[in-house]
Amino acid sequence: GNSVTQMEGPVTLSEEAFLTINCTYTATGYPSLFWYVQYPGEGLQLLLKATKADDKGSNKGFEATYRKETTSFHLEKGSVQVSDSAVYFCALRANAGGTSYGKLTFGQGTILTVHP
Amino acid sequence: DVKVTQSSRYLVKRTGEKVFLECVQDMDHENMFWYRQDPGLGLRLIYFSYDVKMKEKGDIPEGYSVSREKKERFSLILESASTNQTSMYLCASRLLGQGELFGYTFGSGTRLTVV
Repeated sequence: GNSVTQMEGPVTLSEEAFLTINCTYTATGYPSLFWYVQYPGEGLQLLLKATKADDKGSNKGFEATYRKETTSFHLEKGSVQVSDSAVYFCALRANAGGTSYGKLTFGQGTILTVHP
Repeated sequence: DVKVTQSSRYLVKRTGEKVFLECVQDMDHENMFWYRQDPGLGLRLIYFSYDVKMKEKGDIPEGYSVSREKKERFSLILESASTNQTSMYLCASRLLGQGELFGYTFGSGTRLTVV
């Protein structure tokens, strides 16, 4: 079946540091890939997405590139802010047929804390 | 903006009680989902519904059931609550065929504690 694996957390950084959160996946066919963010006390919000190989999703200074050869979708940001402190989830959505169609499969989540 | 509203933010229930978690969305979305969120496990799909009166089991349906009598409302039912169902429950919805563009819209969650 489909699965998503994220790097172990929590991640603690100082403001303006570089961020990488690793995400790898297992899926049949060509899934779409997503990063969601959950701020304290809130539900999940879509951060960025990529729907085919080599696509780069970007939003709010975050980027992730869909790498089919390494089945990865790592999240990066060049300079984090305190306001980026949240839980980040990598997810995939199967795109073609089967019982998994339309459903999101999530990774474990990575807690990011950014200190001033 | 699409809004997904979960009726309770916090709930405390006793073992063996029948528990109803309600979710309402206001944008005529066909698809609705119930996930539970646990530390280290991420989000796991309990049930989903493609449309009114339709339901499909997700990855962890045991101990749960759902009801979708109206398009805007998707209810999760714990038939006999147990302590291992203590968790954060998240409802989500999406417009059929638009998941690629807009992703899913999530509610703020219901934190359920079963004592």
